[in-house]
Amino acid sequence: AQSVTQLGSHVSVSEGALVLLRCNYSSSVPPYLFWYVQYPNQGLQLLLKYTTGATLVKGINGFEAEFKKSETSFHLTKPSAHMSDAAEYFCAVANSGGYQKVTFGTGTKLQVIP
Amino acid sequence: DAGITQSPRYKITETGRQVTLMCHQTWSHSYMFWYRQDLGHGLRLIYYSAAADITDKGEVPDGYVVSRSKTENFPLTLESATRSQTSVYFCASTSGTGNGNTIYFGEGSWLTVV
Repeated sequence: AQSVTQLGSHVSVSEGALVLLRCNYSSSVPPYLFWYVQYPNQGLQLLLKYTTGATLVKGINGFEAEFKKSETSFHLTKPSAHMSDAAEYFCAVANSGGYQKVTFGTGTKLQVIP
Repeated sequence: DAGITQSPRYKITETGRQVTLMCHQTWSHSYMFWYRQDLGHGLRLIYYSAAADITDKGEVPDGYVVSRSKTENFPLTLESATRSQTSVYFCASTSGTGNGNTIYFGEGSWLTVV
């Protein structure tokens, strides 16, 4: 079985400050890991993903995440928050098991304070 | 470039009525999914489909029915709506040519059961 835990349902940062959203996963096989972003009244869109290879993954809008197998983590970071980053962020895991099944975390709502 | 579209976007219905949420994708993706999003639960998989005429239950299938007679369409039916089915429903699709593929989401259908 696979699972995802996102620490903190709400995170507030000041504009220009570091953004750090935490994600820990559980998987019995090598995982594929994703971060999705959801803006108000919209569907989810992919920010970045880790499949194989380089463990530091860069995504859109200046976000990046690092896959740390020893810590079973895939935390999302951005050096400097913008007002436009205010949204809900979902971490997700998929197993390399031969069919598509993705498990999503419960989401972290990011507030950016001017 | 229509992508994946859902209809209706907003629906209010009464308890006991049948409701169908439509989903159409223009990419010829093999896999399609229905998720529901509820506060504190993130996204939970209702049903998924690997191809036309192949469907399978997800995490929370009770009270829902799906069909997939054509690759591009994946309607979700609530046979007898209940208040607990008030939620935001997201249709999604992916090519399924290998694990770790990006899942693309529709913009969601807001359903209220009164």
